[in-house]
Amino acid sequence: DTAVSQTPKYLVTQMGNDKSIKCEQNLGHDTMYWYKQDSKKFLKIMFSYNNKELIINETVPNRFSPKSPDKAHLNLHINSLELGDSAVYFCASSRGTGGWQETQYFGPGTRLLVL
Amino acid sequence: GENVEQHPSTLSVQEGDSAVIKCTYSDSASNYFPWYKQELGKRPQLIIDIRSNVGEKKDQRIAVTLNKTAKHFSLHITETQPEDSAVYFCAAESGGGADGLTFGKGTHLIIQP
Repeated sequence: DTAVSQTPKYLVTQMGNDKSIKCEQNLGHDTMYWYKQDSKKFLKIMFSYNNKELIINETVPNRFSPKSPDKAHLNLHINSLELGDSAVYFCASSRGTGGWQETQYFGPGTRLLVL
Repeated sequence: GENVEQHPSTLSVQEGDSAVIKCTYSDSASNYFPWYKQELGKRPQLIIDIRSNVGEKKDQRIAVTLNKTAKHFSLHITETQPEDSAVYFCAAESGGGADGLTFGKGTHLIIQP
């Protein structure tokens, strides 16, 4: 049950720090995503990436940047952390690079707390 | 961009009764509508999905209906059980997956024993 995995599971850090969250999928999927779930449980897309194209939700601050070292990984880097960045971050992946939609599978989430 | 509205925000039903959750979407180009179940502290998990070329889909006690003209879709759970208690999210997607899912704000389903 580790098709999409994330590390760390919990991340507590001080305001102003830079941190990274790692995501790996072993499903052979072509597209990966990052979502943010806030304290009200609202899930919002941040990025999607499919080896050819990075799509950024326009509301995401440029302090957030995804990095993909290879097709199986999409890591999330966050610079100059702010209190409002506290949330649960979910990585997800799906098969295919466009056209017909495929099921998205979510990772277990990383709970980020900025103090 | 897409906007998805979900109602109700909380739904309490007696065990064994049916539960219905409704969603509307704004982008007529959206053509994929999944439903996710999220238990406390866990990841969202797909329970059923429907694509725009189908009006209804059923999987045991769960069914989803889609009305493209009215731009709304609904989740129906029959014979509810305590393990159905969770937060349910509807979502919509267009652009072949490139834009990601736009989620509703979730429905907290409570099954009363």
